[in-house]
Amino acid sequence: NAGVTQTPKFRVLKTGQSMTLLCAQDMNHEYMYWYRQDPGMGLRLIHYSVGEGTTAKGEVPDGYNVSRLKKQNFLLGLESAAPSQTSVYFCASIPTGQGRLTTGELFFGEGSRLTVL
Amino acid sequence: AQSVTQLGSHVSVSEGALVLLRCNYSSSVPPYLFWYVQYPNQGLQLLLKYTSAATLVKGINGFEAEFKKSETSFHLTKPSAHMSDAAEYFCAVSEGAAGNKLTFGGGTRVLVKP
Repeated sequence: NAGVTQTPKFRVLKTGQSMTLLCAQDMNHEYMYWYRQDPGMGLRLIHYSVGEGTTAKGEVPDGYNVSRLKKQNFLLGLESAAPSQTSVYFCASIPTGQGRLTTGELFFGEGSRLTVL
Repeated sequence: AQSVTQLGSHVSVSEGALVLLRCNYSSSVPPYLFWYVQYPNQGLQLLLKYTSAATLVKGINGFEAEFKKSETSFHLTKPSAHMSDAAEYFCAVSEGAAGNKLTFGGGTRVLVKP
């Protein structure tokens, strides 16, 4: 089972360049998330989506954009990368039951390590 | 708003000793609480969760956690540490079954000494 797959796994960018991280899940989950992980700060939510065609801002959305054109894919874009965006990025998804209730159990990808020089 | 505080960013224990990782939370509604573990160069995986049933929750690999509402705590324990327990551990809170966002603590890295 593939679960949650992130591409690319590693990337080095120069300041001002743009890029897109792709997250794909094959579990038919409604909710998807992008987090960034920085030492001592845990995981911070960047953007999330509660269904195809919807997106919402999380805790640290500035400098990022997202799109959820298909239920199984959630894209994270950096239009003009900055050194402060050097981080490890994790995509995750949650299954939902009746009434869109969720147990909150996240399924994570393996992460994408981004370095901005 | 919900928040999570993990006391101690690093914990060192001897193999066979008790592991105790502390987590305190704040939430305006009855919370769902989680512990996740992250092994080097991997994503997070669920260790255990509290969803308003039994206050003592047992998870994988011999870990357990106790929900104490009066103390707003959800500390993680394991009676006897194993070398394979070396990892980073994250406590997280969600706003119950209707919540669709998890808030994570800063993480505690566990080092196990032989």
